[in-house]
Amino acid sequence: KQEVTQIPAALSVPEGENLVLNCSFTDSAIYNLQWFRQDPGKGLTSLLLIQSSQREQTSGRLNASLDKSSGRSTLYIAASQPGDSATYLCAAYTNYGGSQGNLIFGKGTKLSVKP
Amino acid sequence: DGGITQSPKYLFRKEGQNVTLSCEQNLNHDAMYWYRQDPGQGLRLIYYSQIVNDFQKGDIAEGYSVSREKKESFPLTVTSAQKNPTAFYLCASEGLNYGYTFGSGTRLTVV
Repeated sequence: KQEVTQIPAALSVPEGENLVLNCSFTDSAIYNLQWFRQDPGKGLTSLLLIQSSQREQTSGRLNASLDKSSGRSTLYIAASQPGDSATYLCAAYTNYGGSQGNLIFGKGTKLSVKP
Repeated sequence: DGGITQSPKYLFRKEGQNVTLSCEQNLNHDAMYWYRQDPGQGLRLIYYSQIVNDFQKGDIAEGYSVSREKKESFPLTVTSAQKNPTAFYLCASEGLNYGYTFGSGTRLTVV
């Protein structure tokens, strides 16, 4: 069964620092991988979707890469800001009972960016 | 604007009571999902539906029920059989090549 792990569980950095969040998955037979952001008490906001045929996606200061062979994805945040403080979740698309498109989530990395 | 609307934002349930959480989307997505989020446990799949009038159990379906009579709507009922219902409930839909879109969640508390 697919398992998704995110390390570290929590991270605190000073404002302006570049940082990398890590995500690993046990079954390389995934379709896509999606990164989300969650603020306290809120729903999930999609950040980046890396589709099966892609190796990376970029949006503004965010860049996500996917290496299926090694079972890893990274989310790179450039020039971090206090507003980036949130929990970041990665999720792998996998088959579920023969149907396509169910997400398996990691437990997230809680990021705190200090002014 | 297209999106997913969950209501209510907060819900309180008494012992032995059934409650229903609403999820509506105007994204024209076929697939919809219900997740439960507990502190330290991540998100777990309750039920999902790939098409109208069809739905499947997820990892933790016991004590829950759903219906999918319309493409836009996927309500979740938390029954009295669910012994530990206090949690944050998230509804999502999936669009082809678009990924998952989540609602803002419903926080359910047993009183």
